[in-house]
Amino acid sequence: GAGVSQSPSNKVTEKGKDVELRCDPISGHTALYWYRQSLGQGLEFLIYFQGNSAPDKSGLPSDRFSAERTGGSVSTLTIQRTQQEDSAVYLCASSYRQFYGYTFGSGTRLTVV
Amino acid sequence: AQRVTQPEKLLSVFKGAPVELKCNYSYSGSPELFWYVQYSRQRLQLLLRHISRESIKGFTADLNKGETSFHLKKPFAQEEDSAMYYCALSYGGSQGNLIFGKGTKLSVKP
Repeated sequence: GAGVSQSPSNKVTEKGKDVELRCDPISGHTALYWYRQSLGQGLEFLIYFQGNSAPDKSGLPSDRFSAERTGGSVSTLTIQRTQQEDSAVYLCASSYRQFYGYTFGSGTRLTVV
Repeated sequence: AQRVTQPEKLLSVFKGAPVELKCNYSYSGSPELFWYVQYSRQRLQLLLRHISRESIKGFTADLNKGETSFHLKKPFAQEEDSAMYYCALSYGGSQGNLIFGKGTKLSVKP
């Protein structure tokens, strides 16, 4: 596609429910990243996929967070048993080659009530 | 550990004044540095990369390895430059990751 697409754009969920966030990267981009953007906290790295390599999960804040990337393309970030502190904008980015910089999606704004 | 520091949360200048957004990094290897910008209600986008030594929208940034800095500069600020600016460091080679500073909000007043 022309850009990185994320869905839904907004999600309101009740505390304790599970949510799935989707990212469609730019076709041909081998690297895919998830970040969390909170007010005053900047961008917090969550997870990174590169080709067929094992993902770098070092940024996931707890075991309630998981992500997968199917067929080297679409990625889903799952948050189980959501908590209010999970409220943030979740950004996905993809890259053809790292040093060319990332292309970001418009994000999913998650609100846990 | 790798770290990116942007000491100013908010920088306010008048139109036509010079602007410098500070960025310092901590990394023992050879860094790749970027500036990203997020205008109001728009997605985060790449502004410039140090490796390409480019000038985008009048902005430049020079990597100073001695001072471990990558400050973003523009000689004459415009109102449309008002945005959130993030400095980012790439590490780990071709398999590596990108970490961001907490960002500086630039406000250019008329």
